[in-house]
Amino acid sequence: DAGITQSPRHKVTETGTPVTLRCHQTENHRYMYWYRQDPGHGLRLIHYSYGVKDTDKGEVSDGYSVSRSKTEDFLLTLESATSSQTSVYFCAISEGRLTQETQYFGPGTRLLVL
Amino acid sequence: GQQVMQIPQYQHVQEGEDFTTYCNSSTTLSNIQWYKQRPGGHPVFLIQLVKSGEVKKQKRLTFQFGEAKKNSSLHITATQTTDVGTYFCAGKTSYDKVIFGPGTSLSVIP
Repeated sequence: DAGITQSPRHKVTETGTPVTLRCHQTENHRYMYWYRQDPGHGLRLIHYSYGVKDTDKGEVSDGYSVSRSKTEDFLLTLESATSSQTSVYFCAISEGRLTQETQYFGPGTRLLVL
Repeated sequence: GQQVMQIPQYQHVQEGEDFTTYCNSSTTLSNIQWYKQRPGGHPVFLIQLVKSGEVKKQKRLTFQFGEAKKNSSLHITATQTTDVGTYFCAGKTSYDKVIFGPGTSLSVIP
């Protein structure tokens, strides 16, 4: 599975609390992505990174921030979680020189915001 | 905005029957990728199509990219219970963005 791990795998939190999800890769890939998956919407890109400290917004970035201080780690932060952020979050990496070429996904984090 | 649609949303088939899912984009795509996600799992890359009219096969799976590069299909011959899952297409637009379709959920009745 391309050496991608996500932590935690499950989390329950309350509205208004900060939450940080971690994605870790072992194969030194340049591109890393955070998606959320909701019924009927497929996968929607939140943020992505094209190198250490280089990040950009995806289509649903409001309410989320990211950081990448090391090649292997890409963090997604919900500064103040809301119930609409209840979702399954997938991290992904891609190979190749261009963004979003063949992507390999992590196992996912199920987040419930009460 | 740019959209990628898939039909049907759900498909129930008897084991051994064929299955097809269709992917349609509102704009021309530079490539299209297909992924499979088993229940409770994560999306797994299946294939990427780049050329107009391209057809690729993987055992019982046949993937096509339309001549206008705005649509694609995935056909499974003689479905098996191991084919159960949701199949997503993901189209790459001329703006270098990948847009995922909402997926087709396949269930196979033994």
